[in-house]
Amino acid sequence: KAGVTQTPRYLIKTRGQQVTLSCSPISGHRSVSWYQQTPGQGLQFLFEYFSETQRNKGNFPGRFSGRQFSNSRSEMNVSTLELGDSALYLCASSLASGAYEQYFGPGTRLTVT
Amino acid sequence: DAKTTQPNSMESNEEEPVHLPCNHSTISGTDYIHWYRQLPSQGPEYVIHGLTSNVNNRMASLAIAEDRKSSTLILHRATLRDAAVYYCILIYSNTGKLIFGQGTTLQVKP
Repeated sequence: KAGVTQTPRYLIKTRGQQVTLSCSPISGHRSVSWYQQTPGQGLQFLFEYFSETQRNKGNFPGRFSGRQFSNSRSEMNVSTLELGDSALYLCASSLASGAYEQYFGPGTRLTVT
Repeated sequence: DAKTTQPNSMESNEEEPVHLPCNHSTISGTDYIHWYRQLPSQGPEYVIHGLTSNVNNRMASLAIAEDRKSSTLILHRATLRDAAVYYCILIYSNTGKLIFGQGTTLQVKP
């Protein structure tokens, strides 16, 4: 089975722009979660989607949003980018929402200048 | 969200067993105990999880205290490839939300 794929792998944007990141889960997995990793804050939960519905949300401003499509693929969007949004954005998929093991993708490295 | 406490760092020699402790005194009855690890420059990797009973898989073993207030991840024979940050995480059974602490950085010496 193919693993979790994320595109693009690297991205450079300027402040004020918006960005969309994509995640394709493992085939058969219906839950997708997003995480942000920075050296200062570590790994932080952004949100979780299951069956096209947001199930959980972390403590991030409304500039961070996401969605899930009927094929379980997910996108996250960050609007009005700030320098502090520079981070590694990781997506993880699991069979369903709940205490299932999550499989992480390689991440998208976003740099905001 | 229930909290976990882990040592910041541990060292091990190659081919020796490693016991990574985790305290979770505020665990509730429906919290699962998950372990993930993150190798340098990679996303986190699932290791093992359990609820009440000890668990074994090809990667590791998980020993859960009878009162569930602590657990130990056991790597039976550490290899250099096991050098990583290990995270112990409690997950409520109804949510897929992983709350990562700072984890334990494991160094494996040849």
